[in-house]
Order: sequence, then structure tokens, then C-alpha cells
Amino acid sequence: KAGVTQTPRYLIKTRGQQVTLSCSPISGHRSVSWYQQTPGQGLQFLFEYFSETQRNKGNFPGRFSGRQFSNSRSEMNVSTLELGDSALYLCASSLPLAGGLNTGELFFGEGSRLTVL
Amino acid sequence: TQLLEQSPQFLSIQEGENLTVYCNSSSVFSSLQWYRQEPGEGPVLLVTVVTGGEVKKLKRLTFQFGDARKDSSLHITAAQPGDTGLYLCAGDTSGTYKYIFGTGTRLKVLA
Repeated sequence: KAGVTQTPRYLIKTRGQQVTLSCSPISGHRSVSWYQQTPGQGLQFLFEYFSETQRNKGNFPGRFSGRQFSNSRSEMNVSTLELGDSALYLCASSLPLAGGLNTGELFFGEGSRLTVL
Repeated sequence: TQLLEQSPQFLSIQEGENLTVYCNSSSVFSSLQWYRQEPGEGPVLLVTVVTGGEVKKLKRLTFQFGDARKDSSLHITAAQPGDTGLYLCAGDTSGTYKYIFGTGTRLKVLA
């Protein structure tokens, strides 16, 4: 069973640019969550999608956005990049129970490491 | 606002020693999970605890959920170099499985 796949694994951008990261969840998983991981702040929740709808959102500015497609693949976009956006961006998928609640087990990808210069 | 505080932040011990990592909060959690993350990889789930006072064992790892469901501990017996990694607790306050992660404990076990 293939795991969560994130692309690209590494990327370097400059301030003011925008970036799009992609996440393919485990087959059958319909919930996709995104997290930002930095040494100073740890793992911070960005947002969660289920059936193409954003169900939960963390405390990040509007420059951070995401979407989910009908095949459950998800993308997140960061516009007008700042130096502080340098981080490891992790995607996690989970298997929903009946009623749309998740099992609680998050399966993480290896992450996309973004460096903003 | 950081809801989950982990201690210690860093821990370096010799192989064979025992250790305990703590995860504390002022909030009540519907459930709490522990993950381990190794360099270059995403976190991997170790355990989920749901009931106050619950104790779960995973080989040499013992996890406990506080009676009031506000805190948890992870105890490792006879640590091995393979236990090296970043240990993260994650709590769900709303029962909807939106997990907030703790600050992390970076463990290094020396051979």
C-alpha cells in the first residue's frame, strides 16, 4: 500500500514568490491535513480538507491556502513568500469513520522542505 | 497559543537507561496521540489514548493518559539507539480529530 506522497521534496524560492505543494494521500483516505514544522514553533496546523471541503483551519494568514480535488489529492499554496515561511510542510491523510469523523491516526508524508531566500 | 507543553525538550542518554517524557496542558483532550519522527521523515503514530487513566504498552514503551485527560507520559525502558528521534504528543480537544501537536522532545540514545 503506497504511503502519502508529497512533491516536491525540496525547493528554494525568493521572497515575494509563490509556491504550490502537492500531496497524494493513501488510497481510500479522504481527509488530508497540512502542517508547518519549524524548529522554533514545532508542528503547526494549517488546514484540513475532507471531500473537497475545508473543515478546519489553523491560525495562518490568508497567504496560505489549499484545496482538495475529487480524487482526494490536495495542494497548498503560499503566496508572497516571506523568510519566515521557510519550513518543512507536512501533509497527513487519515481514514474517515462513518459520519465523516477521522480514525484519528494521521499518516504523514516525508514533507516538502521550503527555503525562502 | 501553545496548548501542549512537552518536557524535557532535549534528552541525551546512554543505551540501557530508562526515561520519561511528559506532555502537559491546561486543556482537556478527547484523545491524545504520541508520534515519533526521524530525520527526513514524517511523524509516525505510536499510540492513541482515549480514556482517563489509560495505560498502553508497546514493547519497551509505556504510555499513560492522565486521569483528568489533561496530560500524558511516555516511559521508555532500557532505551536503544533505535529509539532516537523526535517524540511528539498530539491532542484533540474537540473530538473532531483536529490534532494540536506538542513542542516535542528530541531524544538521543548513545550506544
